[in-house]
Amino acid sequence: SQQGEEDPQALSIQEGENATMNCSYKTSINNLQWYRQNSGRGLVHLILIRSNEREKHSGRLRVTLDTSKKSSSLLITASRAADTASYFCATHGSSNTGKLIFGQGTTLQVKP
Amino acid sequence: ETGVTQTPRHLVMGMTNKKSLKCEQHLGHNAMYWYKQSAKKPLELMFVYNFKEQTENNSVPSRFSPECPNSSHLFLHLHTLQPEDSALYLCASSPRTENTEAFFGQGTRLTVV
Repeated sequence: SQQGEEDPQALSIQEGENATMNCSYKTSINNLQWYRQNSGRGLVHLILIRSNEREKHSGRLRVTLDTSKKSSSLLITASRAADTASYFCATHGSSNTGKLIFGQGTTLQVKP
Repeated sequence: ETGVTQTPRHLVMGMTNKKSLKCEQHLGHNAMYWYKQSAKKPLELMFVYNFKEQTENNSVPSRFSPECPNSSHLFLHLHTLQPEDSALYLCASSPRTENTEAFFGQGTRLTVV
């Protein structure tokens, strides 16, 4: 069953602008993760935020988590053409079985 | 390179063929996963192995048969597939099953004709 749902499904911005993607989920979680995928390739892990954390930074990435609203956001600041990719959120449930459930993703296009 | 290698990268097979996908990780991880990524759909978890033991089978049809001979290798044996099984099959590994990120291979693009 689908856990995470990203919004928007597609986003097109100019280089230098910020990009914000949102993710909502349905059940309780241990952590929420964001991944990036270039076309037809494997996924690359970007950042993991635990259920007791509210905000996390990594370089130009900023992730927030609101467990009361069951939502997360990924902000990419000062975007570059190389940031063009699909971005997925994924949740680890509280059962610790390794079940990492992905959303449908946001396709980001950064125009030079 | 993420340390997870999948072969082959591309595979075309007929519905009566038998083929296998291979995944190898050089990261010393204990958990390995198979995911299926179809067009316009979220990644679907297929199987989870932890210390060579299967801990999750996400209602996958029996025409997909996983094998995990050790913590570094994972196979997906395919037989009598359908055209709708055409997809990108992704292998991943992680140090453990809980509270950790997954490292993905580049995937095998499978086309069933």
